[in-house]
Amino acid sequence: DSGVTQTPKHLITATGQRVTLRCSPRSGDLSVYWYQQSLDQGLQFLIQYYNGEERAKGNILERFSAQQFPDLHSELNLSSLELGDSALYFCASSVSLGQQETQYFGPGTRLLVL
Amino acid sequence: AQSVAQPEDQVNVAEGNPLTVKCTYSVSGNPYLFWYVQYPNRGLQFLLKYITGDNLVKGSYGFEAEFNKSQTSFHLKKPSALVSDSALYFCAVRKNGGATNKLIFGTGTLLAVQP
Repeated sequence: DSGVTQTPKHLITATGQRVTLRCSPRSGDLSVYWYQQSLDQGLQFLIQYYNGEERAKGNILERFSAQQFPDLHSELNLSSLELGDSALYFCASSVSLGQQETQYFGPGTRLLVL
Repeated sequence: AQSVAQPEDQVNVAEGNPLTVKCTYSVSGNPYLFWYVQYPNRGLQFLLKYITGDNLVKGSYGFEAEFNKSQTSFHLKKPSALVSDSALYFCAVRKNGGATNKLIFGTGTLLAVQP
C-alpha cells in the first residue's frame, strides 16, 4: 500500500457526461500528479499540482481540469466524455518538487465510457 | 525530447532462472531513472531508482538494475525469478534539471514466470 488513495475504484458513465475523480496523497506529500493509462497511449502525464498551485501540464485535454485543495487532496474533472476517454487514471504524490524524489502511485480509477 | 524504450512486449522465464527486463532511454543531460511494477488491477508500485553514484541499484523484492551511461540503458534484473514476479514492468525517466518532474514511461514489458 503506497498511502495514496483514489476514489472511486471504478466508474461507468455515458458519453457526454461529467465525472470527478478524487485523490488523497500520502501524508506529508505536497505534490500531486495525474496520469492516464490507456491501451493506445500507454501511461501519460496529465497534470501536476504542488501545494495547491498548478505546476505543470502534459497531454491534458481542454475538457479535463484538475485542482488541489487546501487539505492537499486533488480532484480530476472530466467533462463531455467520449468513448476514447475510457482508461485507468492514476494519481501519484511526492514530498515536494525535488527531481530525485519518488512518485508513489494510487490504485487508480478505472473509467468506462459507454 | 525525453523518451524511454522497452523493446520487449513480453519476457518469459522459468522460475528459478535469472531474469532481465530491458530499458533504454534518451534524454539530454543526466537522467533520473525509475522502475515500477503493476500487478493486475493494481496501481504502480515503485521498485527502484537511479539518481547518481553506484551504477548498480538495488530495490524491492530482490530486484536490481544496472545503469549504463554509454549504452543509455537501465535494465532490470533479478537473479532468481519467482512465479509471483509475473506482472507488467515499466521503466520511466525524468530529466535532471528539467522544468518539471513528470515521469516519461516506457510502453511496459509483461513478465511471465513459468513454474
